[in-house]
Amino acid sequence: EPEVTQTPSHQVTQMGQEVILRCVPISNHLYFYWYRQILGQKVEFLVSFYNNEISEKSEIFDDQFSVERPDGSNFTLKIRSTKLEDSAMYFCASRQDGHYGYTFGSGTRLTVV
Amino acid sequence: AQTVTQSQPEMSVQEAETVTLSCTYDTSESDYYLFWYKQPPSRQMILVIRQEAYKQQNATENRFSVNFQKAAKSFSLKISDSQLGDAAMYFCAFRYGGSQGNLIFGKGTKLSVKP
Repeated sequence: EPEVTQTPSHQVTQMGQEVILRCVPISNHLYFYWYRQILGQKVEFLVSFYNNEISEKSEIFDDQFSVERPDGSNFTLKIRSTKLEDSAMYFCASRQDGHYGYTFGSGTRLTVV
Repeated sequence: AQTVTQSQPEMSVQEAETVTLSCTYDTSESDYYLFWYKQPPSRQMILVIRQEAYKQQNATENRFSVNFQKAAKSFSLKISDSQLGDAAMYFCAFRYGGSQGNLIFGKGTKLSVKP
């Protein structure tokens, strides 16, 4: 069964550093999403991406965040200057056009120290 | 704005027994979808079951079934013949219709299964 692949599985970074989280969505999916889950809390929507542009973003997704689909297969989330409160599990998800089901990746655990 | 409420932070069930996890939601939309996701200790999000709001028939996937009460805005998950591997966090999620819909999650219910 097709999978959404996320790398790395775990990343530790110094506060103030830039991080890039990578995702390879399922190849025939057209909608892409990033969600995050702070430990012990609910999963929160960050951003959705369609047709090479952001279609919707939440209040969490401020100027420190950006997304990109640089090569037609990868879908990345960049955090420019990480803060301690950015420590969370980040999930990538994708969805096929005309379908309402989402496929999630296994997540990247980001730890900011 | 849509909200999803899971009123049971933790639940426990005996192996082989049946347990029901509750979920309510609030929306003014008529076209939407509902989901239950399972998150085991590995923290991967696994789709358990999904329901289209326009379908009156409750969705069923093997031991998992839902009780969808549209008027009451309730979407409970029933797990029959509970197994040790069912122990996990369970999240109820809502998505309104339309091409760009994103998921709105509840806070989750931690399910323990006792042998």
